[in-house]
Amino acid sequence: SQQGEEDPQALSIQEGENATMNCSYKTSINNLQWYRQNSGRGLVHLILIRSNEREKHSGRLRVTLDTSKKSSSLLITASRAADTASYFCATDKGGSYIPTFGRGTSLIVHP
Amino acid sequence: EAQVTQNPRYLITVTGKKLTVTCSQNMNHEYMSWYRQDPGLGLRQIYYSMNVEVTDKGDVPEGYKVSRKEKRNFPLILESPSPNQTSLYFCASSRSTGTYEQYFGPGTRLTVT
Repeated sequence: SQQGEEDPQALSIQEGENATMNCSYKTSINNLQWYRQNSGRGLVHLILIRSNEREKHSGRLRVTLDTSKKSSSLLITASRAADTASYFCATDKGGSYIPTFGRGTSLIVHP
Repeated sequence: EAQVTQNPRYLITVTGKKLTVTCSQNMNHEYMSWYRQDPGLGLRQIYYSMNVEVTDKGDVPEGYKVSRKEKRNFPLILESPSPNQTSLYFCASSRSTGTYEQYFGPGTRLTVT
């Protein structure tokens, strides 16, 4: 069963705009990860945020985590056409440390 | 180069004909996992392995087998494939369990007719 669910399912923006996608989960977690998948290819790890962290940055990526709301957001600033991909959050289930993935957000960035 | 490799990348087969999809990693990772990806369903875990000779079921293990005899290899076996196993399969590995980032293979697109 999927622990995390991304929202929205699809997002279409213009190059230069910011893209925000969210992940909600059901049970307590140890950490949350975001991955990117270009069409039909393997997933690539973007960022990991631990349950005791509230915000992390990596280049144009900003991830926040609100454990009280059981949610996370991924912000991509100044988007580029090359950011077009599907984005997945992966959460573990408390003590299990086994990551499970959501259904993903499909992002299209128009040049 | 650190990588996860899968073979074959594409496979078309018929119902009932046993097949194996190989997965190998060169990073000395302890944790390996198999996922299937279907439209609208995201990634679902089939089996995972915490270390050599240690495997466990994921969310959708029915119809699949795995083995972990060596640290680097984690083959996925379909003893009697059926059309509902038509999917895109990914192998992944990480240093340990979910605390660490996973490295994904390029995927194997399987069609069962």
